[in-house]
Amino acid sequence: GDSVTQMEGPVTLSEEAFLTINCTYTATGYPSLFWYVQYPGEGLQLLLKATKADDKGSNKGFEATYRKETTSFHLEKGSVQVSDSAVYFCALSEPPGNTGKLIFGQGTTLQVKP
Amino acid sequence: DTAVSQTPKYLVTQMGNDKSIKCEQNLGHDTMYWYKQDSKKFLKIMFSYNNKELIINETVPNRFSPKSPDKAHLNLHINSLELGDSAVYFCASSQDQDGNSPLHFGNGTRLTVT
Repeated sequence: GDSVTQMEGPVTLSEEAFLTINCTYTATGYPSLFWYVQYPGEGLQLLLKATKADDKGSNKGFEATYRKETTSFHLEKGSVQVSDSAVYFCALSEPPGNTGKLIFGQGTTLQVKP
Repeated sequence: DTAVSQTPKYLVTQMGNDKSIKCEQNLGHDTMYWYKQDSKKFLKIMFSYNNKELIINETVPNRFSPKSPDKAHLNLHINSLELGDSAVYFCASSQDQDGNSPLHFGNGTRLTVT
C-alpha cells in the first residue's frame, strides 16, 4: 500500500541554519502531498501542500517541491528560528474521488537552539 | 474561536472502563476524522465520516465505536479499555473528502489507561 518515509530525528540546528527534512513516498496513483507541523501540546496544522508533479508549496519561509521522478517532497527552510521547533509530518492523500485518507510519515522532531 | 474542539483534554482511567471523547467543529466542514497518535508520534487514521455517513473504518477493534449525530460532531466511544489504548486521539475535519482539502485538527485528547 501507499506509504511515507521521513528522515529520523531529532534534528538539532542553531538559529539561522539551513533546514532540510527528507520525505519520500510510495503510491500507486498520483497523490497530493502535504507537510503538517505539530507544536508542543497542540494538534497538527497544515504547513504547505502540492497537488501535482513539479508543484512547489511554500509558507512561512518553508518550501517543498513535488518530485515525481524521485518520489520525494523534501521540506526546506533557509534560516530557521527557535520558534520553528516542532514535529514535522510529511503526508500523502490517495487520489481524488477516493476517501480523502491521509497517510503520514513517522514525524521528524526539529529542535532549534539560540 | 476554536475551529475543532475536543473534550476532554486529558483522560485517565482504569482498564476495563468505558469512556467517550467528544469532538465538534464550527467550520461547516462535511468530513470528520479520528486519528490515533502513539507514543512515538506515529499517526494513524481510525475513522472518517462524511455528512454523518461512515466512510473509513480502518482495522480498529470493535471496542471503538464512532458516532456522528450531525455533521458538526463526531464522538468516539471506547468500551473495555486496555493498556494499549493509551495514546493521544485527534479529531480533525476537512471541507470534503477529495484528498486535496487540508485537515484541521483539534488539540488532542491524551488517554492514559492504568
